[in-house]
Amino acid sequence: AQSVAQPEDQVNVAEGNPLTVKCTYSVSGNPYLFWYVQYPNRGLQFLLKYITGDNLVKGSYGFEAEFNKSQTSFHLKKPSALVSDSALYFCAVRGANSGNTPLVFGKGTRLSVIA
Amino acid sequence: GAVVSQHPSRVICKSGTSVKIECRSLDFQATTMFWYRQFPKQSLMLMATSNEGSKATYEQGVEKDKFLINHASLTLSTLTVTSAHPEDSSFYICSARDLNRVNTEAFFGQGTRLTVV
Repeated sequence: AQSVAQPEDQVNVAEGNPLTVKCTYSVSGNPYLFWYVQYPNRGLQFLLKYITGDNLVKGSYGFEAEFNKSQTSFHLKKPSALVSDSALYFCAVRGANSGNTPLVFGKGTRLSVIA
Repeated sequence: GAVVSQHPSRVICKSGTSVKIECRSLDFQATTMFWYRQFPKQSLMLMATSNEGSKATYEQGVEKDKFLINHASLTLSTLTVTSAHPEDSSFYICSARDLNRVNTEAFFGQGTRLTVV
């Protein structure tokens, strides 16, 4: 069975400081990993994904994530946080050989960037 | 990038009435779409997988007679909440992938905020 854990319900960071939102996963075989962001009363916006290749993935709005196979992690990072980054962030996984199955989401982490 | 359009974005209805939510893939074909429900401050809960031209596959605990899903074409899936009650009030989100592009991410509609009064 596939699963995603986001251990933090809430992350607070000062504007300009680096931010990290944690994610670990469990999947059979190779994983496809994704990060999405959700603003209030909106759908999910795609940020970045890891399929294969370089473990460090760069995405939208200056975000990046590092795939760590040994730790089964895919933490989201940004070098310098903005107040506008405040939102709900979801990590998701799908097995590479799982066909057209839906993504499995973590419970989400609310990021609050304080000016 | 691929776009998924969901309509309406917000709807208020009276208890006992039915509400239809549309999900369209605007620039790609989606033989499969997914419907999620999200409660306040919680993650997305998969309700059903919508398959073009066939019956939807519902997750355990989701009433198929209450949440009717129709996927009549490669670009449109609809979710109808029948005989809505206040406990059906929630945020509903659809998702689709472009099956012609391997290893792509899923794209999400804007979501529909349903309030049953």
